[in-house]
Amino acid sequence: DAGVIQSPRHEVTEMGQEVTLRCKPISGHNSLFWYRQTMMRGLELLIYFNNNVPIDDSGMPEDRFSAKMPNASFSTLKIQPSEPRDSAVYFCASRVTGELFFGEGSRLTVL
Amino acid sequence: AQSVAQPEDQVNVAEGNPLTVKCTYSVSGNPYLFWYVQYPNRGLQFLLKYITGDNLVKGSYGFEAEFNKSQTSFHLKKPSALVSDSALYFCAAPTSYDKVIFGPGTSLSVIP
Repeated sequence: DAGVIQSPRHEVTEMGQEVTLRCKPISGHNSLFWYRQTMMRGLELLIYFNNNVPIDDSGMPEDRFSAKMPNASFSTLKIQPSEPRDSAVYFCASRVTGELFFGEGSRLTVL
Repeated sequence: AQSVAQPEDQVNVAEGNPLTVKCTYSVSGNPYLFWYVQYPNRGLQFLLKYITGDNLVKGSYGFEAEFNKSQTSFHLKKPSALVSDSALYFCAAPTSYDKVIFGPGTSLSVIP
């Protein structure tokens, strides 16, 4: 299996632009997690899905952030409009039970 | 509130010496506990987990961890550190509704 696939790996954009991050979980995994990593706050859980249904989105910072999982093999995290403080590495992870399998992350820089 | 703590931001150890990275937890019910490692510019990789049973858990790359219920700790250990073990280490636990939370991370530096 190719593992969890995230795209893009790097994104540089200007404040106010829309950003869409994508994730393809491992086939057969029924839970998907989005995390954000920064030096200041470490790893923060933004939202997670179980069987494509959002279970807990309490970590989503504000209404500018939204996430979808239209099917078992694809999820998006969207930021609109983006702000410099959104600059971070965004990770997607999936699992069946037990341990999480992480993608390589999407490094977002908002200028 | 349920939480995972890693009291040390940084651990330095000489190559060949034993290493310990500390983790304490506060979760309800029987804890499931995990250790992950992150190398620069990479995603997190699973090292080992405690579910139930033997308090000493063995994992990847020669790492092991000791679960101590009375001290609510799950410290990561390795008998002989390698320079290649230098990385960021995270302790993690699922909480209610299977939400997985991570500690703040500990940066391990193994000095040649």
